Amino acid sequence: GAVVSQHPSRVICKSGTSVKIECRSLDFQATTMFWYRQFPKQSLMLMATSNEGSKATYEQGVEKDKFLINHASLTLSTLTVTSAHPEDSSFYICSASRKQGSTEAFFGQGTRLTVV
Amino acid sequence: AQKVTQAQTEISVVEKEDVTLDCVYETRDTTYYLFWYKQPPSGELVFLIRRNSFDEQNEISGRYSWNFQKSTSSFNFTITASQVVDSAVYFCALSEAGYSTLTFGKGTMLLVSP
Repeated sequence: GAVVSQHPSRVICKSGTSVKIECRSLDFQATTMFWYRQFPKQSLMLMATSNEGSKATYEQGVEKDKFLINHASLTLSTLTVTSAHPEDSSFYICSASRKQGSTEAFFGQGTRLTVV
Repeated sequence: AQKVTQAQTEISVVEKEDVTLDCVYETRDTTYYLFWYKQPPSGELVFLIRRNSFDEQNEISGRYSWNFQKSTSSFNFTITASQVVDSAVYFCALSEAGYSTLTFGKGTMLLVSP
């Protein structure tokens, strides 16, 4: 089966610092990767879609400069939360798809970010 | 626009009881996919099932079964003889054909007590 690995699983950072979360497809090439955010006891909300080699497409209301997404290779996408604030504390989870137009997406384990 | 409604926020049952989690969806597409995921306390999403809109056959997998009814736009999930390990948040989700993004319901927290 397809495996998506997300790292780190938990991170605590100070306000004002930046933190990078990695999402890797371990056994397949992911043309498209997705980043979701989940507030406590809430549903998952799509933040952005990233395609390898091109700029990410952000959902309405998601700050591009705040949440930097890079999809530099077919197996790696990164989400950088810049100048983190306590309200950025959340559970971030990525998913990856083998090809554009596929409805099959594989999820990473998620990253719990706490900004203090 | 797509929408997934899971009206049950939280369900508590005692072990060995059967429990049904409801999911109602809205979409204008004729081709779409429905999913169920389990999210245990550790946070990861565990894939349970994917069903396309043309396949209305009910499915059974061990203690899990799914009832897909297009007429009522519902895709309900039943756990038979529930176990404590079934305690988790369960999400129903929808995607349009050709897209990998999922629209999630708000989730139903299932608590199974011994």
